[in-house]
Amino acid sequence: AQKVTQAQTEISVVEKEDVTLDCVYETRDTTYYLFWYKQPPSGELVFLIRRNSFDEQNEISGRYSWNFQKSTSSFNFTITASQVVDSAVYFCALSEGKAAGNKLTFGGGTRVLVKP
Amino acid sequence: GAVVSQHPSRVICKSGTSVKIECRSLDFQATTMFWYRQFPKQSLMLMATSNEGSKATYEQGVEKDKFLINHASLTLSTLTVTSAHPEDSSFYICSAGDYVNSPLHFGNGTRLTVT
Repeated sequence: AQKVTQAQTEISVVEKEDVTLDCVYETRDTTYYLFWYKQPPSGELVFLIRRNSFDEQNEISGRYSWNFQKSTSSFNFTITASQVVDSAVYFCALSEGKAAGNKLTFGGGTRVLVKP
Repeated sequence: GAVVSQHPSRVICKSGTSVKIECRSLDFQATTMFWYRQFPKQSLMLMATSNEGSKATYEQGVEKDKFLINHASLTLSTLTVTSAHPEDSSFYICSAGDYVNSPLHFGNGTRLTVT
């Protein structure tokens, strides 16, 4: 069975600090997809990134970067120079199989609070 | 980008009544739609998978007679919470998928409060 663990339940930082969110996953499939979503207080889920299991390249998008390491089954997310608007709950998720449209298993989420 | 619309965004109902939530894919044909539930300060848990033209597949522990799902077309799925009780109060959010290599798109969610 698939499982996603986000060990950090809450992280508090001061603006401009970097923050790294950990995500560890378990799956028996060799083909799978990993996702990160942001959930601001308003509740909607904002898609941040999708990575398939065959693409271990790290990615950077603006202040966001992701580190995917299959050897440790981790897909960590770093926000550089955090801003107050980054305050939200961040979810890591996993979907098994070849189709990117399969159901997601979510981690427990990490609440990030960025203080001015 | 692809958009999923969910309605209503917020609903308050009395115990014993039924509530219908709609999930629409606006610019793509969603062969599969998923319904998730999120209790306060918790993660999202899958309730059921809805495939157009067939019966929904429910996750273990989710009562199919209480949470009725209909996916009558490639752009619309509905979730009806029947005989709602206060413990059904939660945030319900749908997602829609089309073909391989597309990200999963989520609606904005429905906050249900049963009094």
